[in-house]
Parts: sequence; structure tokens; C-alpha cells
Amino acid sequence: DIQMTQSPSSLSASVGDRVTITCRASQGIGNDLGWFQQKPGKAPKRLIYAASSLQSGVPSRFSGSGSGTEFTLTISSLQPEDFATYYCLQHNSYPRTFGPGTKVDI
Amino acid sequence: EVQLVESGGGLVQPGGSLRLSCAASRFTFSAYSMNWVRQTPGKGLEWISYISSSSSTIYYADSVKGRFTISRDNAKNSLYLHMNSLRAEDTAVYYCARADWLADWGQGTLVTVSS
Repeated sequence: DIQMTQSPSSLSASVGDRVTITCRASQGIGNDLGWFQQKPGKAPKRLIYAASSLQSGVPSRFSGSGSGTEFTLTISSLQPEDFATYYCLQHNSYPRTFGPGTKVDI
Repeated sequence: EVQLVESGGGLVQPGGSLRLSCAASRFTFSAYSMNWVRQTPGKGLEWISYISSSSSTIYYADSVKGRFTISRDNAKNSLYLHMNSLRAEDTAVYYCARADWLADWGQGTLVTVSS
């Protein structure tokens, strides 16, 4: 199974800050990676697919990069509504595996 | 906009059974693979099962293999998860998610396994 790790596990930031979250895969997955945002009591929402493609309707302050084993999610200018937990997901092979999550506190 | 609505959750005793349903609309259900994912209270996300569009390919996580069965009815635009031999550790919110890459999710249904 492919193991996914994320760092940091949590962070505190201010409105307007640039935030970067890293996700690492235990083996190469090409660009088969998505990023999801989850707010309390809600279902996860996909932000990024294919490692760097922005989901339709998602603000352009979100961006993704990377391939192989290392990936990043960047929020260029943090907004109050970005308070959430962020997960990466590899969809290169089964079982699908998620990172443990990064909680962003504003 | 894609719509996925889970139902069937509730309180069940250890060793009991439950069937979850996911009603799909606003997309061609028969063209897409589907998945079940769960999230234990306060914890992260765990993928548990996959079914291809034609039901020809099915996968399970080791944690549910032999106890859970995924199925679908393309004529009814519905996905199912039959859960047997339930354990306390199966307590979670269960989500259905569309496609290999889990593009869209339902709102989830809570399953509580407790005596």
C-alpha cells in the first residue's frame, strides 16, 4: 500500500499569509494526487486534481504542484473562510490512501 | 451539479448489520465508478471500497474485507454498502464518492456501533 504523509499536522496563520502544505507518497504516483478541504461537519471538497489542476469554482489563491513523491498545496493569501483541514489523496493505486490531514487555524 | 445523497445510517449493536444507500443524480451514474469512504469521529479519512461502472471490478480495504459488500444498481442510480459483523471501530460517517479520483462526495451518513 502507498503511505501518504503530510506536514505540518497543524498550523496557525493570519489573514493574508501565504500557506504551504506538503504531502509525500511512499512511492512514486506520477501526478495522481488530489487535495481536499474539509470544514467541520461537512464533506470533503476537492480543490486540486492531477496534482496541479484547479477544480472549477475554486478560488485561484489555491494552487498545487509536484509529481512523483512530493507535492505541495499553496494558499497564496489566506482568507477567513480557509479555516479548515486539508487532506491529500493518492489515486494511483488501490487501496486509495489519504494523508492524515493538516488543520489550518486562522 | 452532481448530487450524491447517502442514507441508511443509524445505531446498531456490535455484530449487527446495516445497509447504506447512495442516491445519485445530475450525472450519468452508469458511466462512473464509485467509492465508499469513512471518517471516524475526530479522525481522518479512510477509503473502504470501490466498484467499477459495470460492477466488474471491486476492491475493499483490509479493514472491511469479508464483512462489507459494495454493489450498485445502474437502473436506479444507486450505490449500496452492505455491512455485516459490525464492530465498535466501524463507527464513522460514511460517504459515497464519485469516480476513481473521488471528485464529488455526498454529505455522509453516520453509523454508530454500540450496545
